Amino acid sequence: QSALTQPPSASGSPGQSVTISCTGTSSDVGGYNYVSWYQQHPGKAPKLMIYEVSKRPSGVPDRFSGSKSGNTASLTVSGLQAEDEADYYCSSYAGSNRVFGTGTKVTVL
Amino acid sequence: EVQLVQSGAEVKKPGESLKISCKGSGYSFTSYWIGWVRQMPGKGLEWMGIIYPGDSDTRYSPSFQGQVTISADKSISTAYLQWSSLKASDTAMYYCASALTGVDAFDIWGQGTMVTVSS
Repeated sequence: QSALTQPPSASGSPGQSVTISCTGTSSDVGGYNYVSWYQQHPGKAPKLMIYEVSKRPSGVPDRFSGSKSGNTASLTVSGLQAEDEADYYCSSYAGSNRVFGTGTKVTVL
Repeated sequence: EVQLVQSGAEVKKPGESLKISCKGSGYSFTSYWIGWVRQMPGKGLEWMGIIYPGDSDTRYSPSFQGQVTISADKSISTAYLQWSSLKASDTAMYYCASALTGVDAFDIWGQGTMVTVSS
């Protein structure tokens, strides 16, 4: 099972939006509506930000949104804030397994 | 409070065995999948496998099949990850996580257990 492909980095100024892509195959991202996104600050455990493609857990700001088209899922962070600077990982169900993306470092300029 | 508490950091030698733990509290431990995730130093996240504590149904990611054993003791709400013979390449942070919110939505995470394997 190969890791899902994410861009290594993305950046934006405070208040701007940034979109991160997550490309897989028809066996994972394209085959199921079970894509999740995780935020990880340095030295901390990951935090669930989006699940089932576009749902937000309680407590996650509505600045975070998810979508999917074909084999590619996307996470958009609108109204960037300093605390959004972190690593972001997508994850997809893939039959009896699951696979993470390669990770994207988001920098707030 | 819903939480997962992992066992402490370990320093081991190559060839030694190890079992680390993840104890759940504040929710019905037997009703939700628990996953294990590896993060090697400076690297990304990798799914190792998941277990359903209610019946110990276990699914391993292909890369980790045969390399580790995942188990659970529902009587004490604890999941385990174990190695029979550690290698230096097993040096990593290991997280457990539970999916309470939705399908494959791992929303509760342990604090992580750092495993260092060095001669």
